[in-house]
Amino acid sequence: QKEVEQNSGPLSVPEGAIASLNCTYSDRVSQSFFWYRQYSGKSPELIMSIYSNGDKEDGRFTAQLNKASQYVSLLIRDSQPSDSATYLCAVNIMNYGGSQGNLIFGKGTKLSVKP
Amino acid sequence: DVKVTQSSRYLVKRTGEKVFLECVQDMDHENMFWYRQDPGLGLRLIYFSYDVKMKEKGDIPEGYSVSREKKERFSLILESASTNQTSMYLCASSFGTAGGYSYGYTFGSGTRLTVV
Repeated sequence: QKEVEQNSGPLSVPEGAIASLNCTYSDRVSQSFFWYRQYSGKSPELIMSIYSNGDKEDGRFTAQLNKASQYVSLLIRDSQPSDSATYLCAVNIMNYGGSQGNLIFGKGTKLSVKP
Repeated sequence: DVKVTQSSRYLVKRTGEKVFLECVQDMDHENMFWYRQDPGLGLRLIYFSYDVKMKEKGDIPEGYSVSREKKERFSLILESASTNQTSMYLCASSFGTAGGYSYGYTFGSGTRLTVV
């Protein structure tokens, strides 16, 4: 059973701090990794994708990938109360002999940014 | 922007009713998915489709069926609604996979279904 694991939280950080969200996955051959943000009562929204080892930065968000450790993380710099949401990690799992793949989602980490 | 439109935001249905949830995407995506999301259980895949007329069972297909007659439309059918199908239902679409790499999914706004 392919799995994606996240701490459920809640993770509480003060406004202006760095929030660090972590995710581990079980399938060694996964090649595509995503972070989604989900506000309460809303649907998930894609905020970051990463395909290569290392860091990828987009504004206040940085995704980090380490395929050897099967670990992906999301850093949010200068956290704002508007960042308070549940963050879902998603990893692609290939099927149909490698011709297609589906995303496997973690259960999410709830982030709370306190003013 | 890709738009994935779910026909209803809130639905209340009676036990035993046949329920149709519609999803339409406007970006020519190959792949479409239906999930349900419940507190503490995360997103659970019900059915998915990689092409018109194609459908595959996900992790929890029991009590559900799907239809994909056109590329842009993927319908979820609850054959005989039960109270344990009360949930948030999310449709998603994607370009799929190329060279072993996947595109991300775009989700619709969701349908909160209550079965009474």
